[in-house]
Amino acid sequence: EPEVTQTPSHQVTQMGQEVILHCVPISNHLYFYWYRQILGQKVEFLVSFYNNEISEKSEIFDDQFSVERPDGSNFTLKIRSTKLEDSAMYFCASRDQGISNQPQHFGDGTRLSIL
Amino acid sequence: GDSVTQMEGPVTLSEEAFLTINCTYTATGYPSLFWYVQYPGEGLQLLLKATKADDKGSNKGFEATYRKETTSFHLEKGSVQVSDSAVYFCALSHGSSNTGKLIFGQGTTLQVKP
Repeated sequence: EPEVTQTPSHQVTQMGQEVILHCVPISNHLYFYWYRQILGQKVEFLVSFYNNEISEKSEIFDDQFSVERPDGSNFTLKIRSTKLEDSAMYFCASRDQGISNQPQHFGDGTRLSIL
Repeated sequence: GDSVTQMEGPVTLSEEAFLTINCTYTATGYPSLFWYVQYPGEGLQLLLKATKADDKGSNKGFEATYRKETTSFHLEKGSVQVSDSAVYFCALSHGSSNTGKLIFGQGTTLQVKP
């Protein structure tokens, strides 16, 4: 069964540094998402992406965050200048084109640790 | 805004016990409802879904019924196994949002002992 792939599984970065998290969504999917889960808290929506542009973003997704689909297969999340509070598990997800009640398929996540 | 509330965990059960994990939601209109499961060290996997009132989602012995009158989507299983130990997330996707973003509950950890 096709799956969403995320790399790296664990990223350790110094505060203030830039970090890029990588995702390869399922190949025929057209809607892409990033979520994060701070340890012990809820999974929170960050951003959705469709047709090469952001379709919705949350309050968390401020100017420090950006997303890109550079080559038609990868979907990246960049944090420009990391803060301690960015430490979390970041999940990428994708879904088929279609009505919004279709399920999203998730990757295994990248654990980001900011020192 | 839309929100999902799950019962606090952890829930600890013996093998073959009956499981209920409560989930209630707040949303305008008619959201779709989902249960996702996260096994240790893995990502979120869709367990089941329901898209309209009175729908019952089922998979791997788990069931949940979309109850609009009580705004609930409780997860049940008649006989749990050790392999069911995981974190369970209730979530909704609002039909009026064509982005399909998911709003999650806080997750409930299930521990099943032999």
